[in-house]
Amino acid sequence: GAVVSQHPSWVICKSGTSVKIECRSLDFQATTMFWYRQFPKQSLMLMATSNEGSKATYEQGVEKDKFLINHASLTLSTLTVTSAHPEDSSFYICSAHVQGRNSPLHFGNGTRLTVT
Amino acid sequence: AQKVTQAQTEISVVEKEDVTLDCVYETRDTTYYLFWYKQPPSGELVFLIRRNSFDEQNEISGRYSWNFQKSTSSFNFTITASQVVDSAVYFCALSDDSWGKLQFGAGTQVVVTP
Repeated sequence: GAVVSQHPSWVICKSGTSVKIECRSLDFQATTMFWYRQFPKQSLMLMATSNEGSKATYEQGVEKDKFLINHASLTLSTLTVTSAHPEDSSFYICSAHVQGRNSPLHFGNGTRLTVT
Repeated sequence: AQKVTQAQTEISVVEKEDVTLDCVYETRDTTYYLFWYKQPPSGELVFLIRRNSFDEQNEISGRYSWNFQKSTSSFNFTITASQVVDSAVYFCALSDDSWGKLQFGAGTQVVVTP
């Protein structure tokens, strides 16, 4: 079945550095992927919609210059947290959908980011 | 605007008891999709069900069952004969299309003790 792979599973970085998170669709092409953020003990909030070959669409309140999204191919979207700060520490999870099929939305396993 | 309400923050049950998770949604769309996901402590989201607004049939899958009632805008989830492995956070979500912009509820933590 369709699988979405996310890497890394967890990352610890120092304040001020940048971190890149990858989201790959393993056996299908995904023209659209979605990035969510989940703070501890809270729900998932959509950050942005990643569109292959075009600019991402960000939700209100999400800084596009801080959370850079690149969807350069039909199987890969990346989220880069630039100049990370401790308040960016969170669980980031991506999702993808098989276009044209009545299939469930697949989520990656998530990336736990800790900024020290 | 869309909204999903999961009023139950945490439910604790003893193994083999049934547990019902409530989900109430708000939307102005006539076509929409409802989802349930399970999030175990490891963090991944496990897809459980997707239902479109035109299909009000209840569904049963093993120990899981869902009750969709458009009249009350509810999409409740029942785990029958709960097991310790059912311990997780369960999220109800709503989408106005099938492509994946989901509005999640706050989630319900289910704790099943032996």
